[in-house]
Amino acid sequence: GAVVSQHPSRVICKSGTSVKIECRSLDFQATTMFWYRQFPKQSLMLMATSNEGSKATYEQGVEKDKFLINHASLTLSTLTVTSAHPEDSSFYICSARPGTGGGETQYFGPGTRLLVL
Amino acid sequence: DAKTTQPTSMDCAEGRAANLPCNHSTISGNEYVYWYRQIHSQGPQYIIHGLKNNETNEMASLIITEDRKSSTLILPHATLRDTAVYYCIVSARPPRQNFVFGPGTRLSVLP
Repeated sequence: GAVVSQHPSRVICKSGTSVKIECRSLDFQATTMFWYRQFPKQSLMLMATSNEGSKATYEQGVEKDKFLINHASLTLSTLTVTSAHPEDSSFYICSARPGTGGGETQYFGPGTRLLVL
Repeated sequence: DAKTTQPTSMDCAEGRAANLPCNHSTISGNEYVYWYRQIHSQGPQYIIHGLKNNETNEMASLIITEDRKSSTLILPHATLRDTAVYYCIVSARPPRQNFVFGPGTRLSVLP
């Protein structure tokens, strides 16, 4: 149980284009989902927290107009990197927290590796 | 900044117990200790969490000191597949949960 998937697993795009990453909780309903970013040889950094049906809360220094987050259902959150640039190249990881039962723990997806050329 | 300090790296012989320490001397009364691990190029995997009592599951045991200022994650019989970066995280429970990842401990299980 407690499986979280991400799609795509890796993406290469040209500078200036937008990229959408999906995060799904496969066997539980997630009232809260989180988006993290991890640069090479660094630890995970929280970007934003999203609750189903409401606007995401962004961490300091994360541009909300650049990283659009939609948490439209209890099993799906999306992160759109708009007008991507090479410095946005990173490993993007989502996590989901169950609404009930095991609701104290975040379960992470496998990550999406983004390369912007 | 992370609220925890961990050794940068550790080695463990395959089949032996791996004991990973974590210091969290500023932990608050309502904060839990969570352990995750990250195998290269994958998302973190949940291992175990606890508040003040020792906890055990099919993956590991968590020993929390009585003053809660430190804890130890124990992998009873380490295998090569346990080679990963292990993160100790201190956080309040939901809705105020906020995971701050430090650099973690890079555990290498050696044959």
